[in-house]
Amino acid sequence: GAGVSQTPSNKVTEKGKYVELRCDPISGHTALYWYRQSLGQGPEFLIYFQGTGAADDSGLPNDRFFAVRPEGSVSTLKIQRTERGDSAVYLCASSRDRGRVHFGPGTRLTVL
Amino acid sequence: EDKVVQSPLSLVVHEGDTVTLNCSYEVTNFRSLLWYKQEKKAPTFLFMLTSSGIEKKSGRLSSILDKKELFSILNITATQTGDSAVYLCAANPSNTGNQFYFGTGTSLTVIP
Repeated sequence: GAGVSQTPSNKVTEKGKYVELRCDPISGHTALYWYRQSLGQGPEFLIYFQGTGAADDSGLPNDRFFAVRPEGSVSTLKIQRTERGDSAVYLCASSRDRGRVHFGPGTRLTVL
Repeated sequence: EDKVVQSPLSLVVHEGDTVTLNCSYEVTNFRSLLWYKQEKKAPTFLFMLTSSGIEKKSGRLSSILDKKELFSILNITATQTGDSAVYLCAANPSNTGNQFYFGTGTSLTVIP
């Protein structure tokens, strides 16, 4: 069946710009997660949704980062006033409640 | 502070060799430990371990958890070039929904 999909696969932007990264989870998965992975590092937790609500946003680095999941399915990660340090692969994942977590292919964000 | 440490950071072996990858964790209210294989993009799920001493096996891969000593190992026997990847270990604390703490991974290269 279809896995987690993310768009775009690559995004290049300039410092100071606003970006939106989209995640389509596996159908029926109520839990959705965003992680960020820098080169040579493991994924770093950003935010976890259970349904439409952000159950844990403790990993968001600062208030430039925001994520929504208005209908409990698709999620958008929004980054304002991007900085060069935001460059990373942003991974989305989904699961059935506390089941196995399935990752998407990621969006590679490059801030010039 | 919750953390996951993997060793070695990288490993180069010849086809047919057996490898053991290590993962130690310090996580409050530990619930489960997961192993993922990451090639170019999305980490793909390998194992989820919740009980000590019970080996999980899938083909040439196997894994076991020791909750007393707080570590897990991933074994790969008769390695093949297709096993070349980064292997990630993640620990899930039970009190934070589904946030996972990832290690930095072990980069495995299998030479023909």
